[in-house]
Amino acid sequence: RKEVEQDPGPFNVPEGATVAFNCTYSNSASQSFFWYRQDCRKEPKLLMSVYSSGNEDGRFTAQLNRASQYISLLIRDSKLSDSATYLCVVNEDTNAGKSTFGDGTTLTVKP
Amino acid sequence: NAGVTQTPKFRVLKTGQSMTLLCAQDMNHEYMYWYRQDPGMGLRLIHYSVGEGTTAKGEVPDGYNVSRLKKQNFLLGLESAAPSQTSVYFCASRSHTVGEQFFGPGTRLTVL
Repeated sequence: RKEVEQDPGPFNVPEGATVAFNCTYSNSASQSFFWYRQDCRKEPKLLMSVYSSGNEDGRFTAQLNRASQYISLLIRDSKLSDSATYLCVVNEDTNAGKSTFGDGTTLTVKP
Repeated sequence: NAGVTQTPKFRVLKTGQSMTLLCAQDMNHEYMYWYRQDPGMGLRLIHYSVGEGTTAKGEVPDGYNVSRLKKQNFLLGLESAAPSQTSVYFCASRSHTVGEQFFGPGTRLTVL
């Protein structure tokens, strides 16, 4: 079993749709969690951090469920520009340094 | 402030050749990482470093060596390149107190 697993996708949705991605992690000692966005053949860039209380940034909402060991990303009112691959990232204890990426979920938003 | 830079951007090697990829960051970050990404796949951690002079193995370390002689630089070496090492290599860095990683633009390596 992989340490971090994501919905394989791809997700193909129309503009304006709401779409949700899930990510599960196996290490219960994991400390911090993130969603990154990666455009084709480019470097990943931070989309948002995921906090225990959940957090929202415009059309994007991230949730963390430590008991069930999963995080989620909700995108509302999808735009064409949201088309990308979304990567879930889990960090071990801050001082340990190790980070693990999920394989990513590809989203295509169509007109 | 250049952030994270990688050298070279592209390289073609023959099987058995060696090379070194250079990653440099100017953000005074303690942690640095090397990942590889194969087509249609996620990032896999090769090696990482939590400080100058220290390195640790990641998920796929075989066939690679690293060195962190200076805080701002993290070198990835391939001693004897194999076609299976054809990939895009990303370097990243982060502060030890903040989890966000900053990535370089990647090195596209082809081994024939």
